[in-house]
Amino acid sequence: ETGVTQSPTHLIKTRGQQVTLRCSSQSGHNTVSWYQQALGQGPQFIFQYYREEENGRGNFPPRFSGLQFPNYSSELNVNALELDDSALYLCASSFGGRETQYFGPGTRLLVL
Amino acid sequence: AQSVTQLDSQVPVFEEAPVELRCNYSSSVSVYLFWYVQYPNQGLQLLLKYLSGSTLVESINGFEAEFNKSQTSFHLRKPSVHISDTAEYFCAVSDPNSGTYKYIFGTGTRLKVLA
Repeated sequence: ETGVTQSPTHLIKTRGQQVTLRCSSQSGHNTVSWYQQALGQGPQFIFQYYREEENGRGNFPPRFSGLQFPNYSSELNVNALELDDSALYLCASSFGGRETQYFGPGTRLLVL
Repeated sequence: AQSVTQLDSQVPVFEEAPVELRCNYSSSVSVYLFWYVQYPNQGLQLLLKYLSGSTLVESINGFEAEFNKSQTSFHLRKPSVHISDTAEYFCAVSDPNSGTYKYIFGTGTRLKVLA
């Protein structure tokens, strides 16, 4: 059984650029949630995708957007990057959005 | 809105000593509760969870947590810690009556086990 994987592991961008982060869910899971973890903070919920539809969104601006594909993998897109977007981005998968979420290793984004 | 408080940002403890990491959440009719551990430069690993049933839940590596509804707490304990337990620990809550089961995390407690 394959766990949650994310790519890339690290990324450096400059302010104003756009970035795409990718996540492959654990086998058998159809729901993906994305979280932002700033340095020294707990993860903050960005949004969740269930069966290719957005199923809940946290307090993040519209320049944070996502997609889920038929194989349940997912992308997080961030436009017009700001310095405060520097963080560890975590993807978590679950079945039906229920109960336990299993996290990937994260993508560390640095915005200069 | 649901919130989670982890009062201790850092907890130093000597090896083989007991430890308790505190977690309190804001009141809700029903909740799911979780503890995750994060080692340096890694993602989150599930340590244990409370969904329903017995209020005392245990992990395979000796941690346990007790759901206390009246105190709205879910403190994590281990009777004897090892150097390898050094990590950041996050408490999280989700609302089983919501549509998303999104997690609300605390700010984390950094456990440092000293030799």
